[in-house]
Amino acid sequence: DTEVTQTPKHLVMGMTNKKSLKCEQHMGHRAMYWYKQKAKKPPELMFVYSYEKLSINESVPSRFSPECPNSSLLNLHLHALQPEDSALYLCASSQGGAIHEQYFGPGTRLTVT
Amino acid sequence: DQQVKQNSPSLSVQEGRISILNCDYTNSMFDYFLWYKKYPAEGPTFLISISSIKDKNEDGRFTVFLNKSAKHLSLHIVPSQPGDSAVYFCAASDTGNTPLVFGKGTRLSVIA
Repeated sequence: DTEVTQTPKHLVMGMTNKKSLKCEQHMGHRAMYWYKQKAKKPPELMFVYSYEKLSINESVPSRFSPECPNSSLLNLHLHALQPEDSALYLCASSQGGAIHEQYFGPGTRLTVT
Repeated sequence: DQQVKQNSPSLSVQEGRISILNCDYTNSMFDYFLWYKKYPAEGPTFLISISSIKDKNEDGRFTVFLNKSAKHLSLHIVPSQPGDSAVYFCAASDTGNTPLVFGKGTRLSVIA
């Protein structure tokens, strides 16, 4: 199983809503990542979890809150988002640190109205 | 400051011919390089990688060349197929566990 799954595929939320994005992998990978990608731009790293601990937070606003309940799951909790937060949110995982190839999920297309 | 640059936003190639995608980097600490392919509305898919101890890595139709002195790498696809039409991202890292740095991508169109 070389798959990273993400749910939901699409999400539309208002600025006062609270929602969560979910990511799952069963490859035994110990590092998991959240990226944000806007149209025609490269993925931008948001957070890195290594061995279930947050190791990198790329100065992401607190309206995005990551959570890693166990080594296979990664969540991104969303609250009070802005329309400019609309983007494709990608989850990835890798065996270890940066030397290892990251496997990406299909992404969640988020629209904030 | 962009540490990984893909200066061609798009490239059009005839089916059966060679596609050459280029990538330049500025950080001399980068020692591991990857290419990802991305279709619309999907996550990037890992294609091929190369570490700085090599200057070439081949996997089927895909070959990556690394020129460390020029801080340049390229992805060759031969023969190109219509299914190769996608956005290709170059990414680099310093294996001191820094996260991947992505280029802006090159959109490849393979014309039948």
